[in-house]
Amino acid sequence: EVQLVESGGGLVQPGGSLRLSCAASGFTFSSYEMNWVRQAPGKGLEWVSYISSSGSTIYYADSVKGRFTISRDNAKNSLYLQMNSLRAEDTAVYYCARTIQPDVWGKGTTVTVSS
Amino acid sequence: SSELTQDPAVSVALGQTVRITCQGDSLRSYYASWYQQKPGQAPVLVIYGKNNRPSGIPDRFSGSSSGNTASLTITGAQAEDEADYYCNSRDSSGNLFGGGTKLTVL
Repeated sequence: EVQLVESGGGLVQPGGSLRLSCAASGFTFSSYEMNWVRQAPGKGLEWVSYISSSGSTIYYADSVKGRFTISRDNAKNSLYLQMNSLRAEDTAVYYCARTIQPDVWGKGTTVTVSS
Repeated sequence: SSELTQDPAVSVALGQTVRITCQGDSLRSYYASWYQQKPGQAPVLVIYGKNNRPSGIPDRFSGSSSGNTASLTITGAQAEDEADYYCNSRDSSGNLFGGGTKLTVL
């Protein structure tokens, strides 16, 4: 079964950092592009970042550029999102999603930025 | 920057046909994907490419595109189709989602 499982969410103070992880299983992870997508409470979906299958091409939404870093470890079938200088507006459920126009989604991990 | 525009809310009578639209410049170059999201759940892909349905998606869901507009059509809407629907497109520097359309089945 194809599966994506996010972890690492939690409560963090403004200005703090958090690292999200996504564990992939049931498919050849190294062959697929991956994304992070987030959804603030009561709001729509917002694309956050993209990484190619090899990790050589990376894109970020303007709202997170310079603060977030996407990476992957194909040997560990894992995707990561390092989030620094967190703001209240980064509060959201963060989803790991497969391919540039996602066909498989994880269940998400919740990040709350609050003092 | 590019954006995708959707109507915030649409309603349909049970068993009738409804079209949800998405407008944006990126749709002139890339096909839209469509996602259904129910409360408390992750999005589910319902349409991708020219008009393709993933396994398990009922054939009452279909997609089309013309110029800068993509459409998701539900023919014979069911009560379980009540949900938020999002369009998605690639663009030159990543990815875009529409603001979402809340579909109510009356």
